[in-house]
Amino acid sequence: GQSLEQPSEVTAVEGAIVQINCTYQTSGFYGLSWYQQHDGGAPTFLSYNALDGLEETGRFSSFLSRSDSYGYLLLQELQMKDSASYFCAVIGAGGSYIPTFGRGTSLIVHP
Amino acid sequence: NAGVMQNPRHLVRRRGQEARLRCSPMKGHSHVYWYRQLPEEGLKFMVYLQKENIIDESGMPKERFSAEFPKEGPSILRIQQVVRGDSAAYFCASSPSRQGQETQYFGPGTRLLVL
Repeated sequence: GQSLEQPSEVTAVEGAIVQINCTYQTSGFYGLSWYQQHDGGAPTFLSYNALDGLEETGRFSSFLSRSDSYGYLLLQELQMKDSASYFCAVIGAGGSYIPTFGRGTSLIVHP
Repeated sequence: NAGVMQNPRHLVRRRGQEARLRCSPMKGHSHVYWYRQLPEEGLKFMVYLQKENIIDESGMPKERFSAEFPKEGPSILRIQQVVRGDSAAYFCASSPSRQGQETQYFGPGTRLLVL
């Protein structure tokens, strides 16, 4: 099976940098995705890492270490609108390659 | 290009009634996934369909739940004889191909409340 661990809540101030970690256990591994969800609305895809290293997309970056079964989402120059839940999702081998989602990290950005 | 559409957005049912949730994927997408989300929890996979075929239903309860994606029309998740434990947000997602599953496009969800 597959399981993921991520912190339940992270707080930060506007303009700061915050890192949301995700560790996973899976039998076989294809990649790690990150999604953002505001107030229970539609989750929105942020990034995907299949290989080790850092992927940068604007203020958001995502990192993966396959050997450590670990990844993180880095948010820079935080804005109030970044307050949301962030989910990591792992795609493991076996089955039909459906993503397995973590329980989510609630990010609260203070002024 | 319209995104993934779901209706209704909110649905209230009494115990024992049937709930029908609809999902229209993004234009050009033939792969549809249904997820259930409880408050303060992640998305739990239920079923994966490609036009007229169920590819993976490993996350769907064996009883009372069914899903279809006909050649014409939206995908439908049906819950028969609903119970209070079925109250949750149900999200649909679509992707253009199986290889694109790492990037899924989600609809706004249907909030089901069972009284």
